[in-house]
Amino acid sequence: DTAVSQTPKYLVTQMGNDKSIKCEQNLGHDTMYWYKQDSKKFLKIMFSYNNKELIINETVPNRFSPKSPDKAHLNLHINSLELGDSAVYFCASSQEVLTSTDTQYFGPGTRLTVL
Amino acid sequence: AQKITQTQPGMFVQEKEAVTLDCTYDTSDQSYGLFWYKQPSSGEMIFLIYQGSYDEQNATEGRYSLNFQKARKSANLVISASQLGDSAMYFCAMREGTDYKLSFGAGTTVTVRA
Repeated sequence: DTAVSQTPKYLVTQMGNDKSIKCEQNLGHDTMYWYKQDSKKFLKIMFSYNNKELIINETVPNRFSPKSPDKAHLNLHINSLELGDSAVYFCASSQEVLTSTDTQYFGPGTRLTVL
Repeated sequence: AQKITQTQPGMFVQEKEAVTLDCTYDTSDQSYGLFWYKQPSSGEMIFLIYQGSYDEQNATEGRYSLNFQKARKSANLVISASQLGDSAMYFCAMREGTDYKLSFGAGTTVTVRA
């Protein structure tokens, strides 16, 4: 039983293309996140949604647009892909927001390669 | 300013021995949570252990324990009786009470030798 799932696991595409990554969680959590892990393995938050509402939007280019159709899903759409977008993108979820004790559970990651 | 500092880029440990991974943090919040995650070569991020700022006892989960020293602002992970499957990258992370996101350290790569 996968808790947080992402599709696809690997994504190879050309510069300038538009692509989407899907994320689903079956944990019944209210909050979902997108993190980016760069080539040096550094992890940084991009977005967070709580009950379908955007609550975190870090300084991410406008080409990145998250969409949450319901609280179990958070998709990431990327327009006009650039070489620098190559990274591993992780989806995560947690039960509550505004609680430092709240544990985030991560999906398996999507490795995006832009050629 | 860096909120989480992991000073050990890589470590080697002999199988069955214990290893300590260092993590120091910086926050002015009274309420915060400290987390450790494991990332094996397969790439997934696995939650290991959590310590709350108000917890008086050090957290333990099986072979993982967290050496929490609040005055020093350190939250070191101890892995006892290392196994070959413990070879991975380990990340320390913090969630501050006023914030939603996790702030991660740079990670420490652990290699367990047979």
